[in-house]
Amino acid sequence: TAGITQAPTSQILAAGRSMTLRCTQDMRHNAMYWYRQDLGLGLRLIHYSNTAGTTGKGEVPDGYSVSRANTDDFPLTLASAVPSQTSVYFCASSGTAGGQPQHFGDGTRLSIL
Amino acid sequence: QKEVEQNSGPLSVPEGAIASLNCTYSDRGSQSFFWYRQYSGKSPELIMFIYSNGDKEDGRFTAQLNKASQYVSLLIRDSQPSDSATYLCAVNPGSGGSNYKLTFGKGTLLTVNP
Repeated sequence: TAGITQAPTSQILAAGRSMTLRCTQDMRHNAMYWYRQDLGLGLRLIHYSNTAGTTGKGEVPDGYSVSRANTDDFPLTLASAVPSQTSVYFCASSGTAGGQPQHFGDGTRLSIL
Repeated sequence: QKEVEQNSGPLSVPEGAIASLNCTYSDRGSQSFFWYRQYSGKSPELIMFIYSNGDKEDGRFTAQLNKASQYVSLLIRDSQPSDSATYLCAVNPGSGGSNYKLTFGKGTLLTVNP
């Protein structure tokens, strides 16, 4: 079973360029999330979506945007990348039946130069 | 600001010993509690969840919850070198509505020495 698929696995990007990180899940989960993980700072929520057609801001949303056109896909876009966005990005999903755990993709390692 | 606190470690235990990982949380109304294991360079993997006060056992893992003390712990019995990883505590407030988000601690690095 695939679960959550993220692409690309890693990317080096020039500052000022745009980039979309892809996330697809096949578990029919309503809720999806984007996190960044940095050494010493742990997992920080960027944006989330409780259901298709809705999105919300997390703890560190600036410089990022998301869309949720359907249940399965939740892309994260960096419109104009900056070096401080160098990080490992994880997509996750969960059910919405109360107290559901989140399941994570394998992550995208992004370096902004 | 809802917080989840963990000792960053590293926690070092000999092979075969019991490893005890601790987590405290600030939101008294929290309802759901999760432990994730994260190997270096990998994504977080769910290993335990607990909703009620008391103990929950799954193989070598036991999760313990004390809502009055706002404290959740993970015990790993007969620790193995393959248990060496960072363990993340996560809490969901479960306050109703549409809040499905988790608040994560920064993790405790566990090293099991052969």
